[in-house]
Amino acid sequence: GENVEQHPSTLSVQEGDSAVIKCTYSDSASNYFPWYKQELGKRPQLIIDIRSNVGEKKDQRIAVTLNKTAKHFSLHITETQPEDSAVYFCAASKDYKLSFGAGTTVTVRA
Amino acid sequence: GAVVSQHPSWVICKSGTSVKIECRSLDFQATTMFWYRQFPKQSLMLMATSNEGSKATYEQGVEKDKFLINHASLTLSTLTVTSAHPEDSSFYICSATSGSLETQYFGPGTRLLVL
Repeated sequence: GENVEQHPSTLSVQEGDSAVIKCTYSDSASNYFPWYKQELGKRPQLIIDIRSNVGEKKDQRIAVTLNKTAKHFSLHITETQPEDSAVYFCAASKDYKLSFGAGTTVTVRA
Repeated sequence: GAVVSQHPSWVICKSGTSVKIECRSLDFQATTMFWYRQFPKQSLMLMATSNEGSKATYEQGVEKDKFLINHASLTLSTLTVTSAHPEDSSFYICSATSGSLETQYFGPGTRLLVL
């Protein structure tokens, strides 16, 4: 099956700085890559996604890049704010099933 | 739009009893729902895929007789944990797809504690 690796596992950034989370996937047939933000005890919330026919997508302070050849994709958060502190999960979808990375705990220091 | 609810939000039960968790799509029809399990500080692990009107498809290693899934309508799927044991204690989350089969919207989760 699909194997998704996510790094780093924890990330601490100063407010206003950028945060980058990287993921790799193993199955070249995966064609959809969403990113979810999960606060403690709450549901994962979709923050951005990208499909395999697109290399980059941006939504305000959040951007995602995809390199199909290398089978890796990244999440970029600019101008981080305290409310960005959460656990972020990347995922890869094949046949409409999501395989999740292990998660990155992001802490934004004020 | 694309709101998914779960009930109950938390449940405590005795070992050996069964627990039913409901997942509802509130403002859309969900032909496909997914059930995940998440242990503390871990990722989401897909347990099964539920399609309306047909049998659920279970992931490898998930006991279908222990985790009964029913998707009787386009807005409701249920997960029943039968003969629950302490090791079944976890956070159970459902998701549903709306329109695009790829985008999954998650319910708020159900925290199960088996004593």
